[in-house]
Amino acid sequence: AQTVTQSQPEMSVQEAETVTLSCTYDTSESDYYLFWYKQPPSRQMILVIRQEAYKQQNATENRFSVNFQKAAKSFSLKISDSQLGDAAMYFCAYRSRVGGTSYGKLTFGQGTILTVHP
Amino acid sequence: NAGVTQTPKFQVLKTGQSMTLQCAQDMNHNSMYWYRQDPGMGLRLIYYSASEGTTDKGEVPNGYNVSRLNKREFSLRLESAAPSQTSVYFCASSVGTANYGYTFGSGTRLTVV
Repeated sequence: AQTVTQSQPEMSVQEAETVTLSCTYDTSESDYYLFWYKQPPSRQMILVIRQEAYKQQNATENRFSVNFQKAAKSFSLKISDSQLGDAAMYFCAYRSRVGGTSYGKLTFGQGTILTVHP
Repeated sequence: NAGVTQTPKFQVLKTGQSMTLQCAQDMNHNSMYWYRQDPGMGLRLIYYSASEGTTDKGEVPNGYNVSRLNKREFSLRLESAAPSQTSVYFCASSVGTANYGYTFGSGTRLTVV
């Protein structure tokens, strides 16, 4: 079974600065997807960015980018020019592409609470 | 609005009571999921339905049952609620292929006293 670990329960950043959230995962599979979800106080889960394991190029979405290190099984999220609206819980998640009982299911990390200071 | 609709948003139960959490999606997704979210533990899969007519246990199925009523609806039932089931519950759906993330409902905050 796959596991996802977020070792930073809480992080903080000053508005307009850059912050990096860490995520590591454990899997024996070679084909999978990785995701970052944002959960603001409203509780709604919002997809921030996704990465396909077979692509070496790191995914980017506006101010959000990832550093995907497949060999190290690391998938960090960088938020540039942080804004007050970025304050939320962030979850890293893994989704298998291999057939079998794990196929399609999302496995989540424990979450990181991000605080943005004005 | 298209998406995943969960009801109710909040619920308080007494120990031993039963209830059903309702979930419906209008995106023609094949797969549906129920997760629970607890502090420090992220989201854990309770049950899922890969397609209409099938359901399977996830990581934490004890104390729960599910029904995939049709392609749109996937309900979660607590037969005899326990304080350990106090949590936030999320329903989600996906097209069924792994290259997409999920679409989540807005969650149900359940308290069992």
